[in-house]
Amino acid sequence: AQKVTQAQTEISVVEKEDVTLDCVYETRDTTYYLFWYKQPPSGELVFLIRRNSFDEQNEISGRYSWNFQKSTSSFNFTITASQVVDSAVYFCALLNGSGNTGKLIFGQGTTLQVKP
Amino acid sequence: DTAVSQTPKYLVTQMGNDKSIKCEQNLGHDTMYWYKQDSKKFLKIMFSYNNKELIINETVPNRFSPKSPDKAHLNLHINSLELGDSAVYFCASSFRGVTNYGYTFGSGTRLTVV
Repeated sequence: AQKVTQAQTEISVVEKEDVTLDCVYETRDTTYYLFWYKQPPSGELVFLIRRNSFDEQNEISGRYSWNFQKSTSSFNFTITASQVVDSAVYFCALLNGSGNTGKLIFGQGTTLQVKP
Repeated sequence: DTAVSQTPKYLVTQMGNDKSIKCEQNLGHDTMYWYKQDSKKFLKIMFSYNNKELIINETVPNRFSPKSPDKAHLNLHINSLELGDSAVYFCASSFRGVTNYGYTFGSGTRLTVV
């Protein structure tokens, strides 16, 4: 089965707090890609990161960092020193390499509210 | 220049009507997709076309018919609209197989059926 689980439905933090959004995935493929997207209140889907299954290096981009652990099938996303502009729905997604269909499987999304 | 553009952005229509949503990409991608986001924000793929060939057709009512005149365009036509079709529809594009290239979404079309 291919599945993405984002167990946190909603998270509320105060500005400047660090926050981690969890993502757990299931797949039988050995080649796959993991994504994070941000959906701000304006509604568009903003690409944040793509990781392939052979690259377990953690990544940092400004205040954003991602922790990919194949051993636990997790791809967690941390925002350091959160800001009000980070308020959005965040989606984790899985794309399997086999079959080559390009089908993205999304998690349920985590709504992050950052209060001033 | 907008990479993946959808029109219209908003669509309000009555039950029973037929409507179309258009999508165009200028990224040179060979694969295009339609996703549906329901009222609970859940995103699910509906269709995918690669070089005008249908490669994904999820369990979607046959009132929904995608059409791809060329690899840069993928339109979605919906017949006999129902209240339950109200959702946000996203178009996306990529290179089949992804590798080092992006998977880009349009800004969405909010369809409201009244």
